[in-house]
Amino acid sequence: EPEVTQTPSHQVTQMGQEVILRCVPISNHLYFYWYRQILGQKVEFLVSFYNNEISEKSEIFDDQFSVERPDGSNFTLKIRSTKLEDSAMYFCASSVGTAFRATNEKLFFGSGTQLSVL
Amino acid sequence: AQTVTQSQPEMSVQEAETVTLSCTYDTSENNYYLFWYKQPPSRQMILVIRQEAYKQQNATENRFSVNFQKAAKSFSLKISDSQLGDTAMYFCAFMNLISNFGNEKLTFGTGTRLTIIP
Repeated sequence: EPEVTQTPSHQVTQMGQEVILRCVPISNHLYFYWYRQILGQKVEFLVSFYNNEISEKSEIFDDQFSVERPDGSNFTLKIRSTKLEDSAMYFCASSVGTAFRATNEKLFFGSGTQLSVL
Repeated sequence: AQTVTQSQPEMSVQEAETVTLSCTYDTSENNYYLFWYKQPPSRQMILVIRQEAYKQQNATENRFSVNFQKAAKSFSLKISDSQLGDTAMYFCAFMNLISNFGNEKLTFGTGTRLTIIP
């Protein structure tokens, strides 16, 4: 089965530093998402991206966050100035179409990037 | 806004037994999907089963089945003949279907940690 690939698997950074989390969605997918999960808590939606623009974002996704599809294959999440509370597992996800309108479609999740802000 | 509630933070069951995880949700919408995701210790998000709200028939996937009660807004997961590999965190998730493409996002519950005892 095709996979969404996320790199790195673990990232440690100092508070105030910029980080870029990278994702390679499945090649024919058109819809991309970032979710995050603070340890021991539920998975939360951050942002959805389609046709080179943000479709929707949550209140978590403030001005410190940005997303980009720089080269047609990668999908990145940038945090400009990290805070301690940004420590979490960040999941990238993608789907081929409007993910759930066809019975056999589904959202594919990557394995996540564990971000630790010190 | 939609909310998803999982009232059982932890459950355990003997191997080969049947276990039911509960989930309730709140929405004013009529067209939506419901999902159960499994998150093993590797923290990857794995889709277990999905249910379209317009379908009256409960979804089944091998040993996994759901009891979808639309009027009660209840969506429980039954795991039959439980196996050690079923040990994981299980998240119930809701997705509202709206007309704007790319705006479909998952709202997750807080999860149930399931342990299968040998």
